[in-house]
Amino acid sequence: DQQVKQNSPSLSVQEGRISILNCDYTNSMFDYFLWYKKYPAEGPTFLISISSIKDKNEDGRFTVFLNKSAKHLSLHIVPSQPGDSAVYFCAASGSGGYQKVTFGTGTKLQVIP
Amino acid sequence: EPEVTQTPSHQVTQMGQEVILRCVPISNHLYFYWYRQILGQKVEFLVSFYNNEISEKSEIFDDQFSVERPDGSNFTLKIRSTKLEDSAMYFCASRPRVGTGELFFGEGSRLTVL
Repeated sequence: DQQVKQNSPSLSVQEGRISILNCDYTNSMFDYFLWYKKYPAEGPTFLISISSIKDKNEDGRFTVFLNKSAKHLSLHIVPSQPGDSAVYFCAASGSGGYQKVTFGTGTKLQVIP
Repeated sequence: EPEVTQTPSHQVTQMGQEVILRCVPISNHLYFYWYRQILGQKVEFLVSFYNNEISEKSEIFDDQFSVERPDGSNFTLKIRSTKLEDSAMYFCASRPRVGTGELFFGEGSRLTVL
């Protein structure tokens, strides 16, 4: 049961351009949506999150957009840098501290210098 | 900056052997998790732990798996009799009492079952 889906397994972008990573979810009970960045043989690193009561959250070069009616969120990276090359996981969680975070399948981003 | 630490970084074991993976969560965090990632696949939830008991577990977390927090700081995952398909990266994570839903992950323990 894929509650969080990332349909693009990979994405290549030129340095300086915008990277847009997309994610869809099916569970209406999710309250928080998160993006994690992961390098090989390392743990996921938190990037940015958004609460279900918001539609946009921005942190430096990273912006997450949430469209609740479409059950869709996206991560924009502007401008993209070679150091951004990694696997990006979309994730979602319910409310309550014990709630697990459910991960998508990941999108491998390659930023070409 | 506080971090989640995991040991060992890599363990090789024979099928059928017991394995214990160890984690030291961030000290003021209250919720603890184990996840795993089989090579090239998604990060999968195994179990969550709060107030010295399991809060939720996935279908993967069968009777061969157990968790405990023996001394108030370490959080361990035990696999009683390893199978080939248990080969994966195992990630420990913790979460503070309140926040944005963010989990803080360790660097992972790579388990190779031969």
